[in-house]
Amino acid sequence: TQLLEQSPQFLSIQEGENLTVYCNSSSVFSSLQWYRQEPGEGPVLLVTVVTGGEVKKLKRLTFQFGDARKDSSLHITAAQPGDTGLYLCAGDMEYGNKLVFGAGTILRVKS
Amino acid sequence: DTAVSQTPKYLVTQMGNDKSIKCEQNLGHDTMYWYKQDSKKFLKIMFSYNNKELIINETVPNRFSPKSPDKAHLNLHINSLELGDSAVYFCASSQGRASSYNEQFFGPGTRLTVL
Repeated sequence: TQLLEQSPQFLSIQEGENLTVYCNSSSVFSSLQWYRQEPGEGPVLLVTVVTGGEVKKLKRLTFQFGDARKDSSLHITAAQPGDTGLYLCAGDMEYGNKLVFGAGTILRVKS
Repeated sequence: DTAVSQTPKYLVTQMGNDKSIKCEQNLGHDTMYWYKQDSKKFLKIMFSYNNKELIINETVPNRFSPKSPDKAHLNLHINSLELGDSAVYFCASSQGRASSYNEQFFGPGTRLTVL
């Protein structure tokens, strides 16, 4: 059983569609991070959310942290082929030091 | 300009051999990590060092031994390689305790294939 359940595992959509990726846990996190990983490269940090209920926007990407700081979502509006990649959520279990990663969502946006 | 670098990028070796992976970061971070990413893309922490001191040691076989000669370098030595060790190994760094968010900066990964 994973500490952070991420869904869906795989998403294949057409260019222009919207999508949401979810990250859920029964544990409380001091912060939650979203990363994007392209083939052959390491994950790259997209955003960190810290406060319960916080919403952050990064162009067409909207990130939300649950009120209880146990869950998060990533919403992409009008997906583009360049959004294709592996999206990973990661929760900071303790103050500093260790992140726990979700299993990842493979997103494929077809033109 | 590379923030976190790893060598080699690819490593193909026979079962039973011993191999090392090297990592360097030029971000001035205090904390460095080794992660293993399996074929299903699941990323799991293995070790973490803060200022050359081991602070996280997850359930990893004793065949894996990390070493941090200074806070900018973290190496991983693997003895008696097994088929199940095949994976992508990522080095990462963060500001550690200096930052409450523990944001990670990852290297490009080392794809290890054990035959």
